[in-house]
Amino acid sequence: QKEVEQDPGPLSVPEGAIVSLNCTYSNSAFQYFMWYRQYSRKGPELLMYTYSSGNKEDGRFTAQVDKSSKYISLFIRDSQPSDSATYLCAMSAKTGTSYGKLTFGQGTILTVHP
Amino acid sequence: NAGVTQTPKFRVLKTGQSMTLLCAQDMNHEYMYWYRQDPGMGLRLIHYSVGEGTTAKGEVPDGYNVSRLKKQNFLLGLESAAPSQTSVYFCASSPTHPTGGAGSPLHFGNGTRLTVT
Repeated sequence: QKEVEQDPGPLSVPEGAIVSLNCTYSNSAFQYFMWYRQYSRKGPELLMYTYSSGNKEDGRFTAQVDKSSKYISLFIRDSQPSDSATYLCAMSAKTGTSYGKLTFGQGTILTVHP
Repeated sequence: NAGVTQTPKFRVLKTGQSMTLLCAQDMNHEYMYWYRQDPGMGLRLIHYSVGEGTTAKGEVPDGYNVSRLKKQNFLLGLESAAPSQTSVYFCASSPTHPTGGAGSPLHFGNGTRLTVT
């Protein structure tokens, strides 16, 4: 079983829709959670960063972390064709003063149709 | 502002051949990483470096070697390529550990697409 599971999709939605992207994980030590966006033929870029549980909002994007359920989500409101990309979740733990490596999900391919 | 530059962008190798992938960053970042990305597997860490002259193994280091002789460069070597090493390779850098402080993003290059036949 992978430490981080992410539905690869593909997910296809009409412009203006609310998109929900999700990851589940098994390592209860994870406390740093990130979402990266990757356009076709490009490297990933950081979209959202969240520490521990709770919500974080940035414009049309909201990241949620539910540590009790080991579940994180990324919501995109008023989705645009320019949001079409692969979205990767990533997470990491900290043990004492040492930071662990980032563990990535498989990525979800999202297409937003005009 | 180049950021992270990877060369070459594409390469086809025959089994048993060797090659070196070059990564250069102009942001004076301490940390550098090599990942491979395969369908259904996400990004997997091959090797990383926490500063000039240092290297460490990641999740999938077998069949690869790395060197960081200069702070701005991180080289990934394949001594004897195998078809299982067909992948897209990404280099990344960050000023601190990616979970340090308020979140230190990894800055990725645009990848090297390698096919081993």
